[in-house]
Amino acid sequence: AQSVTQLGSHVSVSEGALVLLRCNYSSSVPPYLFWYVQYPNQGLQLLLKYTSAATLVKGINGFEAEFKKSETSFHLTKPSAHMSDAAEYFCAVSYDYKLSFGAGTTVTVRA
Amino acid sequence: NAGVTQTPKFRILKIGQSMTLQCTQDMNHNYMYWYRQDPGMGLKLIYYSVGAGITDKGEVPNGYNVSRSTTEDFPLRLELAAPSQTSVYFCASSLGETLNSPLHFGNGTRLTVT
Repeated sequence: AQSVTQLGSHVSVSEGALVLLRCNYSSSVPPYLFWYVQYPNQGLQLLLKYTSAATLVKGINGFEAEFKKSETSFHLTKPSAHMSDAAEYFCAVSYDYKLSFGAGTTVTVRA
Repeated sequence: NAGVTQTPKFRILKIGQSMTLQCTQDMNHNYMYWYRQDPGMGLKLIYYSVGAGITDKGEVPNGYNVSRSTTEDFPLRLELAAPSQTSVYFCASSLGETLNSPLHFGNGTRLTVT
């Protein structure tokens, strides 16, 4: 079965600092991986997805993620945090046209 | 373009009551899904559908039922509400043309069972 594990349920960063959210996957085949963001009282929005065309994937709002097969990781980064980045972030892996989600990481941004 | 629309936004049920959570999409997507979200647990798949007339169980189907009579609608039915069903429910849809087709989510229904 394919699954993802997000390390750290809460991350607090200062405005302007690097945001790093960790995700490791377990898959017996090349995985299809996603990052979603959820703002308060809203549904999930797609940030980016890994398509195997490139290991570094750029998404919306300045986020990017790097696929590392040797580390079975797909960590999400943003060089400079903004107050509007405060949200919950979910890593997910696709299997049989369904998504399996990690437990989520809540990001708070300090002024 | 409304995307995925869920109703109601909030609902409080008494134990043993029943209700239907409505979900409709206007993107002509074949694939539709129901997830529940509990704090610290991520999202768990309840049921999904790959097209009108076809439904299948996900990870946590007990206590729920679904139907898919049209491409647009995918209602979720709770027959005998229990406190364990207190959660936020999300409907999603996908074109499903490839394994990495993204899901489009509604804004959720927050359900409390007391």
